[in-house]
Amino acid sequence: SAVISQKPSRDICQRGTSLTIQCQVDSQVTMMFWYRQQPGQSLTLIATANQGSEATYESGFVIDKFPISRPNLTFSTLTVSNMSPEDSSIYLCSVVSGDGDNEQFFGPGTRLTVL
Amino acid sequence: GEDVEQSLFLSVREGDSSVINCTYTDSSSTYLYWYKQEPGAGLQLLTYIFSNMDMKQDQRLTVLLNKKDKHLSLRIADTQTGDSAIYFCAERVTDSWGKLQFGAGTQVVVTP
Repeated sequence: SAVISQKPSRDICQRGTSLTIQCQVDSQVTMMFWYRQQPGQSLTLIATANQGSEATYESGFVIDKFPISRPNLTFSTLTVSNMSPEDSSIYLCSVVSGDGDNEQFFGPGTRLTVL
Repeated sequence: GEDVEQSLFLSVREGDSSVINCTYTDSSSTYLYWYKQEPGAGLQLLTYIFSNMDMKQDQRLTVLLNKKDKHLSLRIADTQTGDSAIYFCAERVTDSWGKLQFGAGTQVVVTP
């Protein structure tokens, strides 16, 4: 299985600022994914990050608000820009790996609170 | 549509079996997953099943899939207090590698 780490694990931020979340995987993976879990809710896919190409965003998410970098096969960042209290969520990095890329693993998440 | 539905809460006595149910709507789903989330933690992949299977067993966990009824269940045998958590079922959206449609999660509470 893939081991995923994220930094920071949590943060409290002021409205209008930006936060960059880092995701590190212990093996090379083709695709990395960023999900959001709003308080008391399930998970929603924000975007897919492939190395060497622009991230692909899901409906309702835009690059200006959630810019993503994918400089290599083991690392990605997600920035939450110009934050508002509605951005308070857990942000999780995910990869597919193992068994024909049918196992999907999630990082521990970054718990963001925006005041 | 791509809705995944789960009951929200399940209470079970320690030592009994737990059964968590899930229904999905995408008949062309290829893989279905079960995740466990403990308080303040990320998601732990418990098990998954390919849609051409109807059962998968892994130690205390048994997954049953009824593709005709689009019904998925997770049975936990000999439930322990450490099994208290939120359990999410998810389906892989067709032709969308890595895009999972999640249910709302079932809160499982294990009582002594």
